[in-house]
Amino acid sequence: EADIYQTPRYLVIGTGKKITLECSQTMGHDKMYWYQQDPGMELHLIHYSYGVNSTEKGDLSSESTVSRIRTEHFPLTLESARPSHTSQYLCASSGTGGVGYTFGSGTRLTVV
Amino acid sequence: GENVEQHPSTLSVQEGDSAVIKCTYSDSASNYFPWYKQELGKRPQLIIDIRSNVGEKKDQRIAVTLNKTAKHFSLHITETQPEDSAVYFCAASTLGGGSYIPTFGRGTSLIVHP
Repeated sequence: EADIYQTPRYLVIGTGKKITLECSQTMGHDKMYWYQQDPGMELHLIHYSYGVNSTEKGDLSSESTVSRIRTEHFPLTLESARPSHTSQYLCASSGTGGVGYTFGSGTRLTVV
Repeated sequence: GENVEQHPSTLSVQEGDSAVIKCTYSDSASNYFPWYKQELGKRPQLIIDIRSNVGEKKDQRIAVTLNKTAKHFSLHITETQPEDSAVYFCAASTLGGGSYIPTFGRGTSLIVHP
């Protein structure tokens, strides 16, 4: 079934560790996005990609980085995790022109 | 850029009542207005959408209305049920245009009391 997959679902990690949140989609979409969301609260766009080898920063300043080497894969990396990074991270994808905007199930990150 | 305002931030109703959530947008070029429902611990999921060439759209107990002149659109839920309890997000975008990334409202927490 076409969907967008995020791993891990939950992650508890120590301060200073490097982590990568995985996002893959089988929707056939060319555009992908990362959002940061605190519980029950608004969605903040932190990164997006138009396609392979394209990455852009979103509205919310983030210390994370992203890469887009394959169309279906859009991982997000934190080089040195801090407690302020504790949040839910949602990946999304859409087709050309923004059609079919779909979210993944999210990764809930806790930095201790 | 686009700015989307959503009200109220919290809405509490009794089961069986109607609920209305309102959003306003600023960019007259926006032509696509989706609504997402996010249940606790789950992903936001599209529940209904409307394009700018349509004034109203219904799907069973939910409906969305759009007033392009006033730049506002609303979600209506009739005969609310406890399973309607969730956070609802409105959004605006320009499909096929430069502003295709949706701008989301800040969300409305709907609580339906049995």
